[in-house]
Amino acid sequence: GAVVSQHPSWVICKSGTSVKIECRSLDFQATTMFWYRQFPKQSLMLMATSNEGSKATYEQGVEKDKFLINHASLTLSTLTVTSAHPEDSSFYICSVRGRATYEQYFGPGTRLTVT
Amino acid sequence: SQKIEQNSEALNIQEGKTATLTCNYTNYSPAYLQWYRQDPGRGPVFLLLIRENEKEKRKERLKVTFDTTLKQSLFHITASQPADSATYLCALALNYGQNFVFGPGTRLSVLP
Repeated sequence: GAVVSQHPSWVICKSGTSVKIECRSLDFQATTMFWYRQFPKQSLMLMATSNEGSKATYEQGVEKDKFLINHASLTLSTLTVTSAHPEDSSFYICSVRGRATYEQYFGPGTRLTVT
Repeated sequence: SQKIEQNSEALNIQEGKTATLTCNYTNYSPAYLQWYRQDPGRGPVFLLLIRENEKEKRKERLKVTFDTTLKQSLFHITASQPADSATYLCALALNYGQNFVFGPGTRLSVLP
């Protein structure tokens, strides 16, 4: 499998500021990465699919201008939460698509708290 | 409407017993179904995958069944141990893995 890291593991920010979360594939060249959001006691909700070198594909209801995704290299994708509000507080998890289409390896997640 | 459900939010069983978790879905046609384990504050870890044309899959103490007629998958952990305590998520792979839909999860507690 692939080893995936996320940074930071947790972040607290003030309402109105922007926060960038990094997702790195440490041992695998990831052409496709996924970004999920998970609220407490709820399941993972796919936010967007990120393909290296092209624009991300956002799921219905996810604001692309608020959640900026950049997948500039085969090992790094970033999610920027712009003008964060308390309702954006959540657990953000990225994953990397493996060699087979159905393979997916998750990062450890980033806990975002907006005060 | 499309829906994916897992039988219960929480399940408690005694150590050594078999845990059985259920995943049901409606109005989806997944090419395959996956089961993941998620520990608190961590990302999910892949456990097993079963394809639409497979009835059963096994891996060590884990067994998964998939009934596309009933639109249901069962996930079994035999000889359960306290270390198996975690949240288990089922996920449908749609469009041949282009995207995934996750169930709400079942929090399993194995009591010593």
